[in-house]
Amino acid sequence: DTAVSQTPKYLVTQMGNDKSIKCEQNLGHDTMYWYKQDSKKFLKIMFSYNNKELIINETVPNRFSPKSPDKAHLNLHINSLELGDSAVYFCASNQASSYNEQFFGPGTRLTVL
Amino acid sequence: GENVEQHPSTLSVQEGDSAVIKCTYSDSASNYFPWYKQELGKGPQLIIDIRSNVGEKKDQRIAVTLNKTAKHFSLHITETQPEDSAVYFCAAIKAAGNKLTFGGGTRVLVKP
Repeated sequence: DTAVSQTPKYLVTQMGNDKSIKCEQNLGHDTMYWYKQDSKKFLKIMFSYNNKELIINETVPNRFSPKSPDKAHLNLHINSLELGDSAVYFCASNQASSYNEQFFGPGTRLTVL
Repeated sequence: GENVEQHPSTLSVQEGDSAVIKCTYSDSASNYFPWYKQELGKGPQLIIDIRSNVGEKKDQRIAVTLNKTAKHFSLHITETQPEDSAVYFCAAIKAAGNKLTFGGGTRVLVKP
C-alpha cells in the first residue's frame, strides 16, 4: 500500500524519558511534516522538511528534534518528556508545491505519565 | 501569520439534512483552501479543496464556496449520512511555502 506510516501507534512513557517516533512515506514525495494535535483536536504544524532540509520550524521547545535521514523518512525525537507533550502526533507528506494535498499518517498517541 | 477561525465547533444534524461549516482567514495572500475530514482514530484526509481563482466547487454531496473579499469560505454537505460523522477541518495556505494553517475543527454528528 502506498501511504504514510508511523510507528509506534501508541506510546506511553514516564515524565523525563526520551522517546522517538518514526515516519515513512512511499509516495515519492519530497516534503514531510510533523503536526501536533492536542486534546481539543487543534492541529498545529511543528516542522517541515524538504529533501532532508528543514524549511519550517515553528515555536517548538528544543526538546523536540526532527531528523530526516532521507526524503522518505522523518523521525521525531523528544527529550525530557513533559506532561504537556501528551498529544497525537501526525506525520504528513506531499510534493513541494503549495497546491498539493498533504497525506497524513495514522498518528501516534503519546501519553506522558 | 495566518489565523483561521472555524464555526461551529460541533454540529448535530438529522440524516438527510444539510450541514454547513464556515471558516474565516486573516491573510489576504492565502490562495488555497483545503478541507480535511478526520475519522475517529485516523489521520485527516483531504475531501475537497478550492483555489482563490474559483468561487465554488462541487463534488457529489460536498461543495465549497469562497468569498475572497470577505475572506471566508464554507463547506456544504447535502443529504448527510451517518458515515459523514467525523471532525472536519478547514485550512488555508499561501502560494509560497507549504505551511498549512488549520481551523479549530468541527465535530459533525449525523443522527440516523
